[in-house]
Amino acid sequence: DAKTTQPPSMDCAEGRAANLPCNHSTISGNEYVYWYRQIHSQGPQYIIHGLKNNETNEMASLIITEDRKSSTLILPHATLRDTAVYYCIVRDPRDNQGGKLIFGQGTELSVKP
Amino acid sequence: AAGVIQSPRHLIKEKRETATLKCYPIPRHDTVYWYQQGPGQDPQFLISFYEKMQSDKGSIPDRFSAQQFSDYHSELNMSSLELGDSALYFCASSLLAGGPMRFFGPGTRLTVL
Repeated sequence: DAKTTQPPSMDCAEGRAANLPCNHSTISGNEYVYWYRQIHSQGPQYIIHGLKNNETNEMASLIITEDRKSSTLILPHATLRDTAVYYCIVRDPRDNQGGKLIFGQGTELSVKP
Repeated sequence: AAGVIQSPRHLIKEKRETATLKCYPIPRHDTVYWYQQGPGQDPQFLISFYEKMQSDKGSIPDRFSAQQFSDYHSELNMSSLELGDSALYFCASSLLAGGPMRFFGPGTRLTVL
């Protein structure tokens, strides 16, 4: 699976958009980008995933660059409850039906009043 | 909607004792994953099962074993417990054909004294 690089921490003002970057310069053509988050001591939570097109759901938007070497997770109106560690994970869903997700160093997002 | 259930939520054991953690996946989910998260660490993949067969293996110590039963629930058995086994243990489930989403349980906090 491709390695990802994320900033270790970010701050965001409540009500503003939080833009979380992820670099995955070695991503291969069949690998998807997945985003999960973990609120303190809770189980990780799926947010969104994409291959090459931008994606949006009720939680967030995912913007993937045309060369797919980086992506940005956007929380459009961050709330205090969005304070969490955000993980960007890249993997090929066809690779090993066991399908483990590897959680690397994520971004600790602090949403401040 | 039903979520992943883990029991017990908290467990305190002495060194060299054994522990059994249980995981009940979301109904109709056929794949179960176990993760260990030490203090200040990212979740580390231990092992996964698909249709009651081990499907992938991570950094699981030889002292640990796991299995998935006919009703798809899974148990993680831990023997000869060490202080370093103190951690949060998360179980996740997925419907293999359903793609990338893993649904995590609330975790079991194991403390080894």
